[in-house]
Amino acid sequence: KAGVTQTPRYLIKTRGQQVTLSCSPISGHRSVSWYQQTPGQGLQFLFEYFSETQRNKGNFPGRFSGRQFSNSRSEMNVSTLELGDSALYLCASSGGLAGVGEQYFGPGTRLTVT
Amino acid sequence: AQRVTQPEKLLSVFKGAPVELKCNYSYSGSPELFWYVQYSRQRLQLLLRHISRESIKGFTADLNKGETSFHLKKPFAQEEDSAMYYCALPTSGTYKYIFGTGTRLKVLA
Repeated sequence: KAGVTQTPRYLIKTRGQQVTLSCSPISGHRSVSWYQQTPGQGLQFLFEYFSETQRNKGNFPGRFSGRQFSNSRSEMNVSTLELGDSALYLCASSGGLAGVGEQYFGPGTRLTVT
Repeated sequence: AQRVTQPEKLLSVFKGAPVELKCNYSYSGSPELFWYVQYSRQRLQLLLRHISRESIKGFTADLNKGETSFHLKKPFAQEEDSAMYYCALPTSGTYKYIFGTGTRLKVLA
């Protein structure tokens, strides 16, 4: 089956702008998680959506938000971009049912804020 | 606080030598731990999880609750094992993973 896809793959934005990233999970997966990956902080959990509801949230400011649609596709939005938001944003999907299973990661969206 | 520590940023070994990638965790409760791997130009993927007790690509990892460790081991390293390895801990049975900072393994010919 097709893997997790993320669009766009690369993005350059200016400080103060906002950005929307998209993630399409593996068919049949209902859980989508987002992570921010930077050289200094590594992989940090942003949030997880399951059946259109945010189920878990990391320690990021309110400028970071997300949503999930009825087809399980998810979007992540960052408003008022800061230089420190430059990172690789990874999306991961999983079945999302009882227990914790394997997460399948997308290739990531590389965001550069100038 | 829940935490995952991978003390080595870089580990270089010669082909055929044993490998041990260290992972220590801090967690109140019974943890479920994973190792993920990222090969060059590939996406992050699951290598193994402790509850399955499988050996994947010759790698094994044993959960040691007394030492709060989940070290990844392989008796004979291969060049194709060169990659970035992450130890991961789902918190409270959710998909809110805490990842270690990763260890880059370089297997030298």
